[in-house]
Amino acid sequence: SQQGEEDPQALSIQEGENATMNCSYKTSINNLQWYRQNSGRGLVHLILIRSNEREKHSGRLRVTLDTSKKSSSLLITASRAADTASYFCATEGGYNQGGKLIFGQGTELSVKP
Amino acid sequence: GAGVSQSPSNKVTEKGKDVELRCDPISGHTALYWYRQSLGQGLEFLIYFQGNSAPDKSGLPSDRFSAERTGGSVSTLTIQRTQQEDSAVYLCASSPTRRVETQYFGPGTRLLVL
Repeated sequence: SQQGEEDPQALSIQEGENATMNCSYKTSINNLQWYRQNSGRGLVHLILIRSNEREKHSGRLRVTLDTSKKSSSLLITASRAADTASYFCATEGGYNQGGKLIFGQGTELSVKP
Repeated sequence: GAGVSQSPSNKVTEKGKDVELRCDPISGHTALYWYRQSLGQGLEFLIYFQGNSAPDKSGLPSDRFSAERTGGSVSTLTIQRTQQEDSAVYLCASSPTRRVETQYFGPGTRLLVL
């Protein structure tokens, strides 16, 4: 069963605007990761934030994690048409969970030029 | 280096037939995962292999699903007596060890059961 819930399900913005996607989860986690998927095929890892971290940056990406609210957000700044894709959060429950990832339903981002 | 590869890219089969999906992980990666993604949905964990340990099969939806990993490398996911609800994209991922959290995904196999 899916652990994560993401909102919005779909987001349409203009190039240059910022895009914010949110993810909520249900159980305790070891880390939370964000992945990107183009055209319904393979996923690409974007960023990982550990349970003891609150914020992390990578290029135009900013991820926050609030373990008390069991939620995370992904911010893409100065969006580009090439950012158009589906974005998924995934949680990893810890060593005794074997590293398997529990994915959210995803946010479909459309960036219009 | 080469990434995770999967074959076939697309598979169309008739209800009731068996199918085999193949995954070649990145060389040297000891952990291998299978996920299923139904249309417009997130990924659903199916099975996990780590080295020579017994696989974690907790995500397999029914006993029609099985997987093996030969020689710690290539893995095959088998679906017996396919049903229409098995139609989905089947994604394989690998990682260097269980301690390395980032997973590297293959392009997936799109399965359509008619």
